[in-house]
Amino acid sequence: GNSVTQMEGPVTLSEEAFLTINCTYTATGYPSLFWYVQYPGEGLQLLLKATKADDKGSNKGFEATYRKETTSFHLEKGSVQVSDSAVYFCALKDSSYKLIFGSGTRLLVRP
Amino acid sequence: DAGVIQSPRHEVTEMGQEVTLRCKPISGHDYLFWYRQTMMRGLELLIYFNNNVPIDDSGMPEDRFSAKMPNASFSTLKIQPSEPRDSAVYFCASRDRGHTRNEQFFGPGTRLTVL
Repeated sequence: GNSVTQMEGPVTLSEEAFLTINCTYTATGYPSLFWYVQYPGEGLQLLLKATKADDKGSNKGFEATYRKETTSFHLEKGSVQVSDSAVYFCALKDSSYKLIFGSGTRLLVRP
Repeated sequence: DAGVIQSPRHEVTEMGQEVTLRCKPISGHDYLFWYRQTMMRGLELLIYFNNNVPIDDSGMPEDRFSAKMPNASFSTLKIQPSEPRDSAVYFCASRDRGHTRNEQFFGPGTRLTVL
């Protein structure tokens, strides 16, 4: 079945460091891919998305490229801020309306 | 728009009691999803509705769980009787068919603690 695998956290970085959170997926067909972010005490918010191979999603300085050849959708940001501390979820949506989430990666950015 | 509204935000109850969680989706959205989030199992889809009709309830853990959507602006998730292992954060999400149809909008969640 379809699944999403994320790198284990927590990821701890200093402010202005470069961020990569790895995400790979297993799916039949051509799923849409998403990154959601969850700030403490809140629900999930869509961060960015890509709906076909080679698409790049971007928002708030975060980027991720849909790589079909490596079945990956890694999240990157060139310079993280303390306010980026949150839990990040990679997800896919196949032909149904369901989202399948990874286990989440906690990011902690220190001043 | 106020976004997806969930109530209560926190619920503490004793084992064996009935628990009802409530959700108001974003107006005009025709899909509604219930999720459960735990440390052990992550984020799991329990059930989803389209136009108030349950489409897929394969994620509902057992008969103690039930969900209803009597109209387009209200849904409930009920646990009866509740057990300590039901302790989790329960999220409701909704989506529409418009240009954002790939995006689900999440509520703030209900943190349930069953003692």
